[in-house]
Amino acid sequence: RKEVEQDPGPFNVPEGATVAFNCTYSNSASQSFFWYRQDCRKEPKLLMSVYSSGNEDGRFTAQLNRASQYISLLIRDSKLSDSATYLCVVNHGGADGLTFGKGTHLIIQP
Amino acid sequence: DAGVIQSPRHEVTEMGQEVTLRCKPISGHDYLFWYRQTMMRGLELLIYFNNNVPIDDSGMPEDRFSAKMPNASFSTLKIQPSEPRDSAVYFCASSLGTPQETQYFGPGTRLLVL
Repeated sequence: RKEVEQDPGPFNVPEGATVAFNCTYSNSASQSFFWYRQDCRKEPKLLMSVYSSGNEDGRFTAQLNRASQYISLLIRDSKLSDSATYLCVVNHGGADGLTFGKGTHLIIQP
Repeated sequence: DAGVIQSPRHEVTEMGQEVTLRCKPISGHDYLFWYRQTMMRGLELLIYFNNNVPIDDSGMPEDRFSAKMPNASFSTLKIQPSEPRDSAVYFCASSLGTPQETQYFGPGTRLLVL
């Protein structure tokens, strides 16, 4: 079975702090990786792709560690609007679609 | 541009009734996906289509579930007969070129089976 595991949280973080969470995947042949964001009672939306060399998008940094089979998401200078569930998503390749983790719930507190 | 459209947004029904969920993907997208989301199991892929043809239905829980895509702009997910354990949010998503590219989700249908 192709697993994607995340700490469900919640992570309670004060506004302005830096927060990071990881996701592990079981299939070493996995080809591409993403972070999606899901707001309460809304649909998931792509936050960013994760590249082998690591990548940044503003306050967000994503990294991939193939040897240890995990990806991470770092959020700097967190905002109240960052409160959401962050879903780790893995493409295992072949005819399979994407496999979604259950998500990490983040709460930014004023 | 309109995103993925789903209807109804909410559905409350009684056990044993037939439920039909509808989806209109983004125009030009070749792939359409049906997901189910619950607190316990997270987001699960039920089935996906490429150019209206079902490719992988291994996630469909049992014979009570069926999905069709009669044309490029419309798909249905049917549950007959419905059971309380089918209560969940059902999302439809579409993507452009491959099943591994960015998927755009509809707003979901919240189903409650009493």
